[in-house]
Amino acid sequence: ETGVTQTPRHLVMGMTNKKSLKCEQHLGHNAMYWYKQSAKKPLELMFVYNFKEQTENNSVPSRFSPECPNSSHLFLHLHTLQPEDSALYLCASSQGPRNEQFFGPGTRLTVL
Amino acid sequence: KNEVEQSPQNLTAQEGEFITINCSYSVGISALHWLQQHPGGGIVSLFMLSSGKKKHGRLIATINIQEKHSSLHITASHPRDSAVYICAVSGGGADGLTFGKGTHLIIQP
Repeated sequence: ETGVTQTPRHLVMGMTNKKSLKCEQHLGHNAMYWYKQSAKKPLELMFVYNFKEQTENNSVPSRFSPECPNSSHLFLHLHTLQPEDSALYLCASSQGPRNEQFFGPGTRLTVL
Repeated sequence: KNEVEQSPQNLTAQEGEFITINCSYSVGISALHWLQQHPGGGIVSLFMLSSGKKKHGRLIATINIQEKHSSLHITASHPRDSAVYICAVSGGGADGLTFGKGTHLIIQP
């Protein structure tokens, strides 16, 4: 049990759907992250939030839209995705942006 | 942008063997992280280090800042150590982590 939860754990969506991934951390951290893990590729940073402010956008396409309403919650809104966006999406949190990170279990996304 | 290289990519060993996984990076960092990922995707942070050596149970991590190199050692390996071990770095101007491709370790009984 890591203290970082993600929902849903699995998601199948069509290219025209709109869906959202949710991450919640119960650790009192102030930094939160979205990472993407595609098959046969290293993990990639997508977004970083520190005290609810976005501090990094790693050239992510606009069909991925993050939202951080408070330091405990992080969302990733998805719309008009492509099949190549199918991947494991991982959320993490840390006490400060360059400290040890705690990961959620991930959402396995399949885009049809 | 930092480049993180890990070796070997795949490693199969017998139970009890001493395991070493290597990681090198190209640009100065604030810290290096060793992570463990089990089938199903969950990732656990094993170590975060910026200098010297850390030990936790049968796991030892070392880093040489001058050579931009780190090693993860597992002593008395056990089948439950089978997992993907990932090296990642933080700093170098970025807030998030930059990852290596991972080492897929299998420990056979």
